[in-house]
Amino acid sequence: EPEVTQTPSHQVTQMGQEVILRCVPISNHLYFYWYRQILGQKVEFLVSFYNNEISEKSEIFDDQFSVERPDGSNFTLKIRSTKLEDSAMYFCASSVPGSANEKLFFGSGTQLSVL
Amino acid sequence: EDKVVQSPLSLVVHEGDTVTLNCSYEVTNFRSLLWYKQEKKAPTFLFMLTSSGIEKKSGRLSSILDKKELSSILNITATQTGDSAIYLCAVAFYGGATNKLIFGTGTLLAVQP
Repeated sequence: EPEVTQTPSHQVTQMGQEVILRCVPISNHLYFYWYRQILGQKVEFLVSFYNNEISEKSEIFDDQFSVERPDGSNFTLKIRSTKLEDSAMYFCASSVPGSANEKLFFGSGTQLSVL
Repeated sequence: EDKVVQSPLSLVVHEGDTVTLNCSYEVTNFRSLLWYKQEKKAPTFLFMLTSSGIEKKSGRLSSILDKKELSSILNITATQTGDSAIYLCAVAFYGGATNKLIFGTGTLLAVQP
């Protein structure tokens, strides 16, 4: 069964460093998302991406964050200058076009630890 | 403010028991309610509910939506240790530019042998 894949599974970085989290969405999906989950807290929406542009972003998604679809398969989340509070599990998700497009398929996540 | 509330926060049962997990929501322009199972990492899709009163079933799991009460339940019968996980409820709504989901805090289910 097709799945969303994310790399790396774990990322440790120093505060102030840039990180890029990578995702390969399911191939026929057209909507792409990033969510995060801080330990012990809710899964939170960060950003959605459709037709090569951001559709919507949350308050969390400030100028330090950016997303890109550099080619036909990858979808990346960049955090330009990481802060301690960026430590979280980051999930990529994708969904199909059409009437059930709110049914999101999630990747296994990247656990980001900022020291 | 849109919100999704799940109860109980955690639950410990024995194998063979039946459990009912609850989800209530307050969102404008409700579109659908989704249940996910989160073991270790990735939330995996269980059900999507859009119509009130129509039960969705998959094996020992079933779920139903009540739009009047703004709530949903997820039932698991004859629980097994493999059902141990966090069960997440999420709501999608019309009006935004996209299909973002708002999640509840989840219910942690532990099934003991």
